[in-house]
Amino acid sequence: QVQLQESGPGLVKPSETLSLTCSVSGGSISSHYWSWIRQPPGKGLEWIGYIYWSGTTDYNPSLKSRVTISVDTSKNQFSLRLTSVTAADTAVYFCAKYSDHVDSWGQGTLVTVSS
Amino acid sequence: QSALTQPPSASGSPGQSVTISCTGTSSDVGGYNYVSWYQQHPGKAPKLMIYEVNKRPSGVPDRFSGSKSGNTASLTVSGLRAEDEADYHCSSYAGNNNLVFGGGTKLTVL
Repeated sequence: QVQLQESGPGLVKPSETLSLTCSVSGGSISSHYWSWIRQPPGKGLEWIGYIYWSGTTDYNPSLKSRVTISVDTSKNQFSLRLTSVTAADTAVYFCAKYSDHVDSWGQGTLVTVSS
Repeated sequence: QSALTQPPSASGSPGQSVTISCTGTSSDVGGYNYVSWYQQHPGKAPKLMIYEVNKRPSGVPDRFSGSKSGNTASLTVSGLRAEDEADYHCSSYAGNNNLVFGGGTKLTVL
């Protein structure tokens, strides 16, 4: 089973861009779907979007205008960019391996939006 | 896409059975046999417990079972144990490679 590890800043200022990277080990990023999922403190999970290893993407309609997910197969990594963040974007962000369900999760990283 | 509806809490005594519901629409739960359930202990990542409505990944006890009727899916935990106390989240495929989650249910073992 693959292992996933999120990395990136834990604090982002309002109106700025949140950027996270997920490193995949124990397997190739190729031939799979990969996803970002977030969980605001004390709340449920929210699917942000997915990327196929070839670069095909789709996003949660509620976030689509602000989200970009990209992949770097040479580094076995995929990344998340979320623009114009507000306090409502404060959450634990998980990267995950995805098909019709999520079978592998990263440990999650807390990103706080605050000045 | 709207979140799936789960009860905020559920409880049972050790040894008992408890069932958690997850209600969606014909565009997600009712339209596909791709409902999954995740267990999440505090401060931890979710863990897949059930996928494709009623399939268990290797290593998940058979005390955990899933089912679906119409637009509502259910997770049943039989023979409750203290370690089953956790948050449980459902999700469903919602078309176009999209996933939708429920709001989560806190299971308390009394």
